[in-house]
Amino acid sequence: SAVISQKPSRDICQRGTSLTIQCQVDSQVTMMFWYRQQPGQSLTLIATANQGSEATYESGFVIDKFPISRPNLTFSTLTVSNMSPEDSSIYLCSGIEAAEQYFGPGTRLTVT
Amino acid sequence: AQRVTQPEKLLSVFKGAPVELKCNYSYSGSPELFWYVQYSRQRLQLLLRHISRESIKGFTADLNKGETSFHLKKPFAQEEDSAMYYCALTGSARQLTFGSGTQLTVLP
Repeated sequence: SAVISQKPSRDICQRGTSLTIQCQVDSQVTMMFWYRQQPGQSLTLIATANQGSEATYESGFVIDKFPISRPNLTFSTLTVSNMSPEDSSIYLCSGIEAAEQYFGPGTRLTVT
Repeated sequence: AQRVTQPEKLLSVFKGAPVELKCNYSYSGSPELFWYVQYSRQRLQLLLRHISRESIKGFTADLNKGETSFHLKKPFAQEEDSAMYYCALTGSARQLTFGSGTQLTVLP
């Protein structure tokens, strides 16, 4: 099974700044995704991270706010840009290996 | 549009009692349905999927296409089953749509 790690595990940031979250998988995965879990809510898909090309964003999420990179089959980054308190959430990455989706531990972001 | 509904935000049962976590879905094609579990201070992990038709940790879930439901059941709940449970579906694009989750508490 794929093991997914994320850095940082948590951060407290000031509004207007940006944070880049890293996601590392210990094996090559076919697909990678980024999700957001706002306080008290379920997981919402932000985008599909595509290797070597632009990410595919879900409705309500845009590249300027959440730029994503995926340079290879084991690594991806999500940047939360120009942060506001509404961006305070847990951000999770996931990857699919052998038709099963595995999740990272999440990055807890607090914007003050 | 695909949607997953979990009507119960909180559910408490006593140890040894049966437990059922409800999940209903809407999807225009043939979805795959999953149950994910998140124990305290642990990451989200797959519990079971409908295509496997298996029992994991005593839990089972049957896909009812007529009622568009995928309820999770266990005949005798254990305290270690206390966790957050998410029902989810995926279509051809493979990304998951999650329900709002049910926090299960098994009381001693």
